[in-house]
Amino acid sequence: EVQLLESGGGLVQPGGSLRLSCAASGFTFSSYAMSWVRQAPGRGLEWVSAISGSGGSTHYADSVKGRFTISRDNSKSTLYLQMNSLRAEDTAVYYCAKDRSFGVVTYFDFWGQGTLVTASS
Amino acid sequence: DIQMTQSPSTLSASVGDRVTITCRASHSVNTWLAWYQQKPGKAPNLLIYQASILETGVPSRFSGSGSGTEFTLTISSLQPDDFATYYCQQYNTYSLAFGGGTKVEI
Repeated sequence: EVQLLESGGGLVQPGGSLRLSCAASGFTFSSYAMSWVRQAPGRGLEWVSAISGSGGSTHYADSVKGRFTISRDNSKSTLYLQMNSLRAEDTAVYYCAKDRSFGVVTYFDFWGQGTLVTASS
Repeated sequence: DIQMTQSPSTLSASVGDRVTITCRASHSVNTWLAWYQQKPGKAPNLLIYQASILETGVPSRFSGSGSGTEFTLTISSLQPDDFATYYCQQYNTYSLAFGGGTKVEI
């Protein structure tokens, strides 16, 4: 059974940093691209960042480019999102999502339960 | 970047109704489009990919169609479990994008 378990969310002051983790199990982690998708309170879904199965290719939404960094450790089956210079508008539930593909970013067949990030003073 | 627009944003319907949701792309995405269902407090669930292919385990009352810039999600006979919010998502480019969502309510 595929499982994705996010952690690392919490309250942080604007300008601060946070690192999210997503522990994966139930599938061959290195064979699939992964993404982070967020959802602000009461709002729709927003794709944040993606990484290929090998970790050699990464992509970011314009809203987070230069502030967030996606990475993965295939030996630990874990996905990460380093978030720096956080803003109030980054407040959201952050979901880890498994892609159907290895190299090309496509659509998501499994999602974690999400972790809440709140950027507020 | 490609923008995705869904309509309507809210839809009121009854059990047994046929429901259609529209998703429009600002540029052609060919058939690289997926649909998700999301219930309150839960993660989204994949319904359809490549515009019209039903994900394994999804009831056959759900169907998708379209190509290029206009797509539809149809629920042939609305069931109580279908009251939720639905999102389209394009994956024609590396800058993925979701539609704003359509809430299906009673």
